[in-house]
Amino acid sequence: DAGITQSPRHKVTETGTPVTLRCHQTENHRYMYWYRQDPGHGLRLIHYSYGVKDTDKGEVSDGYSVSRSKTEDFLLTLESATSSQTSVYFCALRGDRSYEQYFGPGTRLTVT
Amino acid sequence: AQSVSQHNHHVILSEAASLELGCNYSYGGTVNLFWYVQYPGQHLQLLLKYFSGDPLVKGIKGFEAEFIKSKFSFNLRKPSVQWSDTAEYFCAVNAPTGTASKLTFGTGTRLQVTL
Repeated sequence: DAGITQSPRHKVTETGTPVTLRCHQTENHRYMYWYRQDPGHGLRLIHYSYGVKDTDKGEVSDGYSVSRSKTEDFLLTLESATSSQTSVYFCALRGDRSYEQYFGPGTRLTVT
Repeated sequence: AQSVSQHNHHVILSEAASLELGCNYSYGGTVNLFWYVQYPGQHLQLLLKYFSGDPLVKGIKGFEAEFIKSKFSFNLRKPSVQWSDTAEYFCAVNAPTGTASKLTFGTGTRLQVTL
C-alpha cells in the first residue's frame, strides 16, 4: 500500500465548529485528492491538488477548503461543520505517470 | 462530464457461484477504467485497471473485467466467489485530460457471499 496516513481516524464534533482533517504521504506524489463516501453516493470528489499550493474544486466543494503548503501534507477544513458533512473522508494519491489512485484508511467524522 | 452507473446495488450469492457486476460509463473519448474493492471497515483497494490494449484484463484475487467500447461497459467477473469476497465494489472512470485526471466513481455494489 502507498504510504498514506490520515488523522484523526475518528472525530465527533458539534455543528458550527471548524474541523481540519490531515492527509500525510511519504511517496512524494504530486497529486492528492479528498473524497467523501456516503451510502448510495459512492465516492465524491471534494477538492484535489496537483502540486504545492495548487488546488482546485471537485464536485462537492461547498463548505470545504483545502491547503497544501508542502508535498507530503494535504489538509481538508470544514469551515463550520454541519450535520450534512457527517461522512467518511478518504484521501487518495496518484503518481505522475499513472492514473490509478491509492487510498488512505479514511476518517469517520460525525457532526452532532 | 463523465458519469458511471452500477445498476446492481446489492448482490447476494452462494459460495462457488459465478459473479458478474455491471458497470456502464458515459464519456465519448478515451478513458481509463478501474474496479476498486472495499472490505468491511477498510479503505478502497485497486482490483484491476484498463488503460489500453487487450480488453480483457485480469486483476488480483481471480477477478477479471472486460472492456466493451461499443457498449460503454466494463463489467467485473469472477468464476467462483468465496465468502471472503464479501465487500463493496466500485467502478471508476478517468478521462485522462486536464490537470489532475479526476476519477468519477459509481455508487457501488454491495456483494454478500453466503456459505
